[in-house]
This record gives sequence, structure tokens and C-alpha cells, in this order.
Amino acid sequence: QKEVEQNSGPLSVPEGAIASLNCTYSDRGSQSFFWYRQYSGKSPELIMFIYSNGDKEDGRFTAQLNKASQYVSLLIRDSQPSDSATYLCAVMGDTGNQFYFGTGTSLTVIP
Amino acid sequence: GAVVSQHPSRVICKSGTSVKIECRSLDFQATTMFWYRQFPKQSLMLMATSNEGSKATYEQGVEKDKFLINHASLTLSTLTVTSAHPEDSSFYICSARDRLAGGYNEQFFGPGTRLTVL
Repeated sequence: QKEVEQNSGPLSVPEGAIASLNCTYSDRGSQSFFWYRQYSGKSPELIMFIYSNGDKEDGRFTAQLNKASQYVSLLIRDSQPSDSATYLCAVMGDTGNQFYFGTGTSLTVIP
Repeated sequence: GAVVSQHPSRVICKSGTSVKIECRSLDFQATTMFWYRQFPKQSLMLMATSNEGSKATYEQGVEKDKFLINHASLTLSTLTVTSAHPEDSSFYICSARDRLAGGYNEQFFGPGTRLTVL
């Protein structure tokens, strides 16, 4: 398995704050990067994807990609208690047939 | 978004029996399906990549004779856990990629199957 690393957390932030989640990957050939949210006992649900260097914003979420540093992050603005979940970074290789998840970061938003 | 179903959602079996899990793409054709396993408080581990009409590609350390994958059509892949043992107890999740989606190759996940081997 290709290496995709995340801080396991837990990460706690107060409601309304910005949550910052980080991910590094080992395969320089990786092309697409995804952030998923997973609630306990459920399968992952896609938050957003990014494949170009820079920032991509979608509502309260911003993904940041730096291919030179092999680093992708997710910022959650105005965090809500409902954002409390495990966040998984996923990386797709250049052939499209390799899709690997990071270890996940547990986020708790405190009301 | 596209819908992927899994059946059964939960199964309890005795050690030594075989269990089949189905993964279906309901409203799209999936040339590629992925099978993952997730142990408690751990991330999803890719077990194998399944392409319609061809043999599955297994990740290192995954026994292909124990975890049989069949992808007979563009909407159905099955995972059979043969001679299951308690250490096979896990949450099994499939995902599928829309053949026509192109672009960023989003995967759509099934709801998962909770396998408990007694």
C-alpha cells in the first residue's frame, strides 16, 4: 500500500473555529486527492477533491494541495458540532486503479 | 449522486463457513470496483481492485484464495470470504467508479457490511 499519513488526533476545536487537517503522501505520481468524512459505523462520504496545486474552496471547506511538498490539507471554517467525525485523506495514483486512504484524523467540535 | 448498495449489511457466521458480499452500482455502470476492509478505529485498507471481466488485482498481503472477488458485470462485484475465521471479522466496504464520469474519478461507496465470525 502506498503511504498516506495523517495525524490521528484527536483534534478538538471549539464551535465556530477553524479546523485544520493535514495529510502527506509518498507517491509522487499521485494525481488526485480526496477528503472524506466518516461517521462511526458508516462508510465514507466525499467532502471534496483536488488535483491542481493551490486552494479549492467549497462552502466552509477549503482544500489545499502542494505537490512539490506532497502535502494536502483541509480547512473547515465555522466548525459545527455536526462536523465531528473522522476525516480521511485519500490519494489516487496515476493509473486511476490505485486508491489509498490515510489513517484518518478524529475531529471533535465542542459546542 | 450515484448509489452503491451492499448486501448483506450485517452477517454473523460460524468459523469455517464462507460468506458472500454483493456490491451493486444501482444507477451507473462501474468498470472498476474496489474492496476495502476496516478494523475498529483504523482506516480503510484497500484489499483489491476489481475490473469487469478480468481478474482482480490484490494488494500485497491479501490472500486471493481466501478473498474471492468476481466482477461479472458492469453493475455487480462480489467478495466471498472463504473459510472465515474470527480474525476476518471486520467492516467490509466496496466502492465503484462511474465508467462515464471521467475527470477526477470519484468513487462512490457502499454502506458497508459488518462481518462477525464466531
